[in-house]
Amino acid sequence: LAKTTQPISMDSYEGQEVNITCSHNNIATNDYITWYQQFPSQGPRFIIQGYKTKVTNEVASLFIPADRKSSTLSLPRVSLSDTAVYYCLVGDEDRGSTLGRLYFGRGTQLTVWP
Amino acid sequence: EAGVTQFPSHSVIEKGQTVTLRCDPISGHDNLYWYRRVMGKEIKFLLHFVKESKQDESGMPNNRFLAERTGGTYSTLKVQPAELEDSGVYFCASSRSSGGYNEQFFGPGTRLTVL
Repeated sequence: LAKTTQPISMDSYEGQEVNITCSHNNIATNDYITWYQQFPSQGPRFIIQGYKTKVTNEVASLFIPADRKSSTLSLPRVSLSDTAVYYCLVGDEDRGSTLGRLYFGRGTQLTVWP
Repeated sequence: EAGVTQFPSHSVIEKGQTVTLRCDPISGHDNLYWYRRVMGKEIKFLLHFVKESKQDESGMPNNRFLAERTGGTYSTLKVQPAELEDSGVYFCASSRSSGGYNEQFFGPGTRLTVL
């Protein structure tokens, strides 16, 4: 199981780009890197997933270096509504189950200020 | 498409009582998961159903917790008898059954308070 490390909290102002970096030094070959977002009083919500290089969707970008020991979630031009907890998860597609549990760490509390 | 729903949203019970939480997954999702977060801790996996079968229940804390998914549709999680340390937020999630990594869709959670 790859343990993840990410900052406990980050602050930003509206309109800025926010980059949250996650370390996962023991990532396995079959592991994907996935980020979830959680607003207060809601369940976590999938944001983006990647295996290597860069992935971009309508919400965020995910940068993964060649060694895959870290990853960076990039949120362009954040707004107040992006205030949430962001979780970096490293999960396997293998180990006999392609549909297994998710391992959540403490996440990063992002607070966006006006 | 309706999302994952959970009932009730909040439950306050006394120690020793029984509580049953319900989860309705997204229609067509064979995989159903239960997680919980107790105060100040991380979200922890409890168990995983594939249709009506328990695929992995290694996260269940003890035998006071019983999860069922009769018919492979909705699921219930019963806590009997409830203890103070069971207080927390219980999340349910569901995902499709196709191969590869599957996004899990979470419900809003049930906040359980045991007094």
